[in-house]
Amino acid sequence: KQEVTQIPAALSVPEGENLVLNCSFTDSAIYNLQWFRQDPGKGLTSLLLIQSSQREQTSGRLNASLDKSSGRSTLYIAASQPGDSATYLCAVRQEAGTALIFGKGTTLSVSS
Amino acid sequence: NAGVTQTPKFRILKIGQSMTLQCTQDMNHNYMYWYRQDPGMGLKLIYYSVGAGITDKGEVPNGYNVSRSTTEDFPLRLELAAPSQTSVYFCASSYRGAEKLFFGSGTQLSVL
Repeated sequence: KQEVTQIPAALSVPEGENLVLNCSFTDSAIYNLQWFRQDPGKGLTSLLLIQSSQREQTSGRLNASLDKSSGRSTLYIAASQPGDSATYLCAVRQEAGTALIFGKGTTLSVSS
Repeated sequence: NAGVTQTPKFRILKIGQSMTLQCTQDMNHNYMYWYRQDPGMGLKLIYYSVGAGITDKGEVPNGYNVSRSTTEDFPLRLELAAPSQTSVYFCASSYRGAEKLFFGSGTQLSVL
C-alpha cells in the first residue's frame, strides 16, 4: 500500500531564506505527483504537478523535483516571504484515473 | 469564475441526524471527489465519481453516500451522524483523472 510521508511536520524560517520541503513515498511506481498549498480554514490550491516522466517543474519561486527511483520529491522555495506561510501537502497518483494519496503536510512559518 | 463551490461552510449536527453536503463545479470536469481531513492527518478519500451516473468508494466510505446525476453536482450524504464523522470535508474536481485537482473551500462539520 502506498504511503506518503512529509518531514518535517513544521518548519520556521526567517524571511528571505531559501528552503526545501521533503516528500517521500513507498511505492516508486507512480503516475504523477502534486504539491498543494493550504491556508488555515481554506481549501487546497495546486502548486505544481510533475508527471512520472519529468524530473522537475518550476513556477515562479517554486521548484519541485521528482526522483522516482528513490521515492522522493522536494519542493524548493526561493527567497521565502511571510505570505508563503501555509501548510504544504504532497500527493501521489498511482495510475491515471485513480485518486491522490496525500501526505500529512509540512506547516511552514516565515517570519519577517 | 466560481470553480468548486461547497455549502454549507460550517454545520453542527446531533448524533443520529442526517444532512447533505453540497458540491458543485462550473468547469465541466468529469472527475469529482470527496475527501475528509482530520487534524494533523492527511486527506482521506471518501467517494469519487468519473462522470454522471458513476460513483465508487474510496478509502473511508462507511457512513456516507453519494450520487452524481449531473456533471456539475456531487452531493455527499450523511445518514446517521456519529462523532467519528466530525471533520473538515473537501470536494474536488479535475477534467480528467490525472490532471490538477481543484478544491472547494471545505465544510467544517461537528457531530455532538
